[in-house]
Amino acid sequence: GAGVSQSPSNKVTEKGKDVELRCDPISGHTALYWYRQSLGQGLEFLIYFQGNSAPDKSGLPSDRFSAERTGGSVSTLTIQRTQQEDSAVYLCASSPGTSGRRGETQYFGPGTRLLVL
Amino acid sequence: AQSVSQHNHHVILSEAASLELGCNYSYGGTVNLFWYVQYPGQHLQLLLKYFSGDPLVKGIKGFEAEFIKSKFSFNLRKPSVQWSDTAEYFCAVNTNAGKSTFGDGTTLTVKP
Repeated sequence: GAGVSQSPSNKVTEKGKDVELRCDPISGHTALYWYRQSLGQGLEFLIYFQGNSAPDKSGLPSDRFSAERTGGSVSTLTIQRTQQEDSAVYLCASSPGTSGRRGETQYFGPGTRLLVL
Repeated sequence: AQSVSQHNHHVILSEAASLELGCNYSYGGTVNLFWYVQYPGQHLQLLLKYFSGDPLVKGIKGFEAEFIKSKFSFNLRKPSVQWSDTAEYFCAVNTNAGKSTFGDGTTLTVKP
């Protein structure tokens, strides 16, 4: 079946512009995660959606970052007034959300590589 | 807040050598532990996970990991690596809060 998809695969933008990154999770998965992976570093948690519950936004690095999930499916991560330090690979993952919050395997998308000039 | 430490940033081995990648976490409560792998040009994917029960878990491609609660460790092992194991390996911890904390990753290069 179809996996997690993300678009665009690459995005080059100028400093100060806004960008939107899209994630389509696996159909039926109620949990969705966004991570950021900077060059040579691990995955930095950004935000977590689970069903209709309020999202866990504790990983968002600043108020320039926001995310929403419409209809419990597609999610958009928005970065306003981009800075050069925002350059990274942004990964989305989803999981079934059926076994509570523990122990679930996350299925990752290919990522969006963002470069801010 | 939980944290994950992977001791080796880059490991280089010859084929047939044994592998052990270290992973330590800091969290006082119940955890679930994962190893994910990212092969060149591919998505991150699950290698194995520990949820409960037998602390020695086996994953795909001959990998295994042992959860040692007293040491807060979840080291990844493979008795004999292959060139195709060249990849980046991430250890992750998940708590009841739902979100996962990942280590910085270990790049494994296996020389043919």
